[in-house]
Amino acid sequence: GDSVTQMEGPVTLSEEAFLTINCTYTATGYPSLFWYVQYPGEGLQLLLKATKADDKGSNKGFEATYRKETTSFHLEKGSVQVSDSAVYFCALSPGTYKYIFGTGTRLKVLA
Amino acid sequence: NAGVTQTPKFRVLKTGQSMTLLCAQDMNHEYMYWYRQDPGMGLRLIHYSVGEGTTAKGEVPDGYNVSRLKKQNFLLGLESAAPSQTSVYFCASSYLVIGTDTQYFGPGTRLTVL
Repeated sequence: GDSVTQMEGPVTLSEEAFLTINCTYTATGYPSLFWYVQYPGEGLQLLLKATKADDKGSNKGFEATYRKETTSFHLEKGSVQVSDSAVYFCALSPGTYKYIFGTGTRLKVLA
Repeated sequence: NAGVTQTPKFRVLKTGQSMTLLCAQDMNHEYMYWYRQDPGMGLRLIHYSVGEGTTAKGEVPDGYNVSRLKKQNFLLGLESAAPSQTSVYFCASSYLVIGTDTQYFGPGTRLTVL
């Protein structure tokens, strides 16, 4: 079945460091891919998405490219801030009601 | 425009008690979802609805019931709570279901069953 695998956290970085959070997926067909972010005490909110191969989603300095050949959708940011501390979820939707979420990666950014 | 709201924010139940979680959205979305979030397991879909008066089972429906009597509301019921239902519950809604649309989440309800 469809699935999403994320790197385990927590990830701890210093402010202005480069961030990569790995996400790979298994799906039949051509799913849409998403990154959601969850700040402490809040619900998830969409960070970025890509709906077809080679698309790049971007928002707030974060980027992720839909790589069909490697079935990956890694999240990157060139310079993280303390305010980026949160839990990040990779998700896919195969084109139905279903959204399949990864287990989440906690990011902690130190000043 | 409040988005997606959930009531209550916190609740403690004893085993065997019942309760209803309320989700409301003011975005005129057709689709609504209930998830539970457990440590190390991400979000798992409990039930969902594709429109007023419709409901369907998700990945982990046992022990829960739902109703969608009004388009803007989606209720999740626990008839006889069990400690295994201790979790954080999130409601979400979306406009389209074809897999490209954003899901909008509520702030969550933290439920503890003793």
